[in-house]
Amino acid sequence: DIQLTQSPSSLSASVGDRVTITCRASQGISSHLAWYQQKPGKAPNVLIYGASTLESGVPSRFSGSGSGTEFTLTISSLQPEDFATYYCLQLNNYPRTFGQGTKVEIK
Amino acid sequence: EVQLEAAGGGLVHPGGSLRLSCLASGFNFGGYEMNWFRQAPGKGLEWLSYISSSGGIIKYADSVRGRFTISRDDAKNSLYLQMSSLSAEDTAVYYCVRERFYFYYYMDVWGKGTTVIVSS
Repeated sequence: DIQLTQSPSSLSASVGDRVTITCRASQGISSHLAWYQQKPGKAPNVLIYGASTLESGVPSRFSGSGSGTEFTLTISSLQPEDFATYYCLQLNNYPRTFGQGTKVEIK
Repeated sequence: EVQLEAAGGGLVHPGGSLRLSCLASGFNFGGYEMNWFRQAPGKGLEWLSYISSSGGIIKYADSVRGRFTISRDDAKNSLYLQMSSLSAEDTAVYYCVRERFYFYYYMDVWGKGTTVIVSS
């Protein structure tokens, strides 16, 4: 199975900060990676797919990059509604696997 | 509006069975691949099972293979997950999820989830 390791597991940031979350795959997955945002008690929402394609309706402050084994989700200017947990998901192989999540908290 | 509404969760005794259903609306259900995911309390997300649009290709996570069965009824716009031999480790919120392909595969629509609690 492909292991995805997210870092950091949590972070504290202020509104307006630039935030970067990294996801490393245990083997190459090309660009078959998506990023999801999840708020407490809610289902996940897709932000990015294909490693760097912004899902329709998602604010442009979110961006993704990377390919192969290293990927990054960046929030260019953190907004109050962005405080949530973020997950990466690989869709290169079965079983589909997630990173362990990164909780973004208010500083 | 594209929607997925999962139902059928509840309290079940260890060793018991439960059937989850997911009603799709607002899109051509039969044209999409579908998945089940779950999230245990305070834990991360876990993929469980996949079914192709035709129903001819099915995949399972090792944690549920042999105990869970995914199926679909396109005439009823419904996805199902038959779960058996349940244990406390199966306690979670279960999500019905649509898979989309647009240059890359990804999960684009998630239902609200239905809660399964396995306890004596």
